[in-house]
Amino acid sequence: GAGVSQTPSNKVTEKGKYVELRCDPISGHTALYWYRQSLGQGPEFLIYFQGTGAADDSGLPNDRFFAVRPEGSVSTLKIQRTERGDSAVYLCASSAQGVNSPLHFGNGTRLTVT
Amino acid sequence: GENVEQHPSTLSVQEGDSAVIKCTYSDSASNYFPWYKQELGKRPQLIIDIRSNVGEKKDQRIAVTLNKTAKHFSLHITETQPEDSAVYFCAATMSRALTFGSGTRLQVQP
Repeated sequence: GAGVSQTPSNKVTEKGKYVELRCDPISGHTALYWYRQSLGQGPEFLIYFQGTGAADDSGLPNDRFFAVRPEGSVSTLKIQRTERGDSAVYLCASSAQGVNSPLHFGNGTRLTVT
Repeated sequence: GENVEQHPSTLSVQEGDSAVIKCTYSDSASNYFPWYKQELGKRPQLIIDIRSNVGEKKDQRIAVTLNKTAKHFSLHITETQPEDSAVYFCAATMSRALTFGSGTRLQVQP
């Protein structure tokens, strides 16, 4: 079956602009996660959804970052007033049973803020 | 704060030798410990995981050991091959989501 799908694969934007990153999880997976990975680093947790609700958003760095999952499937990560420090690969993952089950990652969206 | 420490950051071995990567974690309530392999430009992929009620798990050339008392766990790769070259990440459940280590770049020399 299809894996986790993320679009776009690459996004270049100017400082101060607004961006949306999309994640389509594996069908039937109730848990969805957003991570951010900078070069040479491990994935850094941003937010975790169980169904439609954000079960843990403690990793969002500030109020410029927001994520939604209105129907419990597709999720959108939204970044307002982008800064150069936001440049990274944004990884989405889903799992069948929550945090104590394997995460299946998408290929990521590489965001570059110029 | 809660974190996962991973060592070494780089590891170079000769083909056929063994490789060991070690991680420590801070949250004594952690109970799930996966390992991911990430090749250049690709997504992290799960290679093996272990839960807190088990001390060791093996899958062909890969094994993971867990010491809950000391709060550390290790990845062991035997008979390494060039295709094992990648970055390996350990992770542990912290509160409600996985926290990842900073990664180990493994280079297997043919």
